[in-house]
Amino acid sequence: SQQGEEDPQALSIQEGENATMNCSYKTSINNLQWYRQNSGRGLVHLILIRSNEREKHSGRLRVTLDTSKKSSSLLITASRAADTASYFCAPSITGGGNKLTFGTGTQLKVEL
Amino acid sequence: NAGVTQTPKFRVLKTGQSMTLLCAQDMNHEYMYWYRQDPGMGLRLIHYSVGEGTTAKGEVPDGYNVSRLKKQNFLLGLESAAPSQTSVYFCASSRVTGQGVYEQYFGPGTRLTVT
Repeated sequence: SQQGEEDPQALSIQEGENATMNCSYKTSINNLQWYRQNSGRGLVHLILIRSNEREKHSGRLRVTLDTSKKSSSLLITASRAADTASYFCAPSITGGGNKLTFGTGTQLKVEL
Repeated sequence: NAGVTQTPKFRVLKTGQSMTLLCAQDMNHEYMYWYRQDPGMGLRLIHYSVGEGTTAKGEVPDGYNVSRLKKQNFLLGLESAAPSQTSVYFCASSRVTGQGVYEQYFGPGTRLTVT
């Protein structure tokens, strides 16, 4: 199984601070994706990083991938109240229907 | 471009009743998926489809059936609903090319309660 485990389970910060979430997995992968879920809504894709990449940026998001440690991190800089959501990582392998396995996520709360 | 839509948004069933959840996507995606999400848990894959006329089992397929008669639609059926199927159901779709994996696009969810 390529299921990722997010850590911490919950994170509370003040607006303007940076938020870091981690993801660990157990098997070899081809890529890893991060998704955001606002309360009661569907998941929204944030970023995809491939196994031959070490770091990727998208706006205020920075994702790292360390395949030797089987871990990834998601950094959100200058957090805003609108970033309050659950964040999920999804490591996967190419093929096999592009199936994703999600962990329980990190619940981020950004307070004003 | 509506993306992924799900019908209905809410439904209450009695134990033993049947229903069908409809998922539709207008992005011409090959792959489609049905997940369920229970409180405090991540999404678990029920069934998926890699193309029109094909379906496959996911992690938790028991008690559900699916059909993909048209590329843009993926139906999830509950033949005899049980309280354990109370959940939020999400549909997703993704494209695929020879270069591999792409992101999944999710619908807004269907909140189902079985009493």
